[in-house]
Amino acid sequence: ETGVTQSPTHLIKTRGQQVTLRCSSQSGHNTVSWYQQALGQGPQFIFQYYREEENGRGNFPPRFSGLQFPNYSSELNVNALELDDSALYLCASSRTAGYGYTFGSGTRLTVV
Amino acid sequence: TQLLEQSPQFLSIQEGENLTVYCNSSSVFSSLQWYRQEPGEGPVLLVTVVTGGEVKKLKRLTFQFGDARKDSSLHITAAQPGDTGLYLCAGAEGGGTSYGKLTFGQGTILTVHP
Repeated sequence: ETGVTQSPTHLIKTRGQQVTLRCSSQSGHNTVSWYQQALGQGPQFIFQYYREEENGRGNFPPRFSGLQFPNYSSELNVNALELDDSALYLCASSRTAGYGYTFGSGTRLTVV
Repeated sequence: TQLLEQSPQFLSIQEGENLTVYCNSSSVFSSLQWYRQEPGEGPVLLVTVVTGGEVKKLKRLTFQFGDARKDSSLHITAAQPGDTGLYLCAGAEGGGTSYGKLTFGQGTILTVHP
């Protein structure tokens, strides 16, 4: 079975720009979550999607938004980028929410 | 806001030694998961514990979930250089608008010297 794939792997953006990160979930998984991981920290929950609906959100501002598509792939959009948005963005999928996630390798976003 | 405190933050040991990593919270979780993360990669699931008091073994790794489902520990016997990495505990919320949300500890960076 294929794992979770994320694209791009690395990205450099300028403050104020917008970015879209993409994620293909593992086959058979209908739940997708996004996490932000700053250097030296544990991942922080951004939001979760189940069957194309957002069903959980962490403490992130509205400029962080997402989508899940019928094939369960997902996008994370960030508007008005700030320097503090520089981090590793991780996508994770699961067959059942809360019971063991498969993570992608992440997208390293640098905002300059 | 649920928090998970993981300790120690750094651990540097010699090959063959034993070690324990702790994960503590004042909140109850529906499950507790342990992950290992290599540089430049995403976390890889090691184990999920669900029942209070549950103990799971994975070769030289032993995982325990506290009776009250608020804390967990990871014990490694006879550590090897290949065990080097970042170990993360994560608690899953069981209901409401945050169902399935994982709250991660800050991680333990383990270095095993040959």
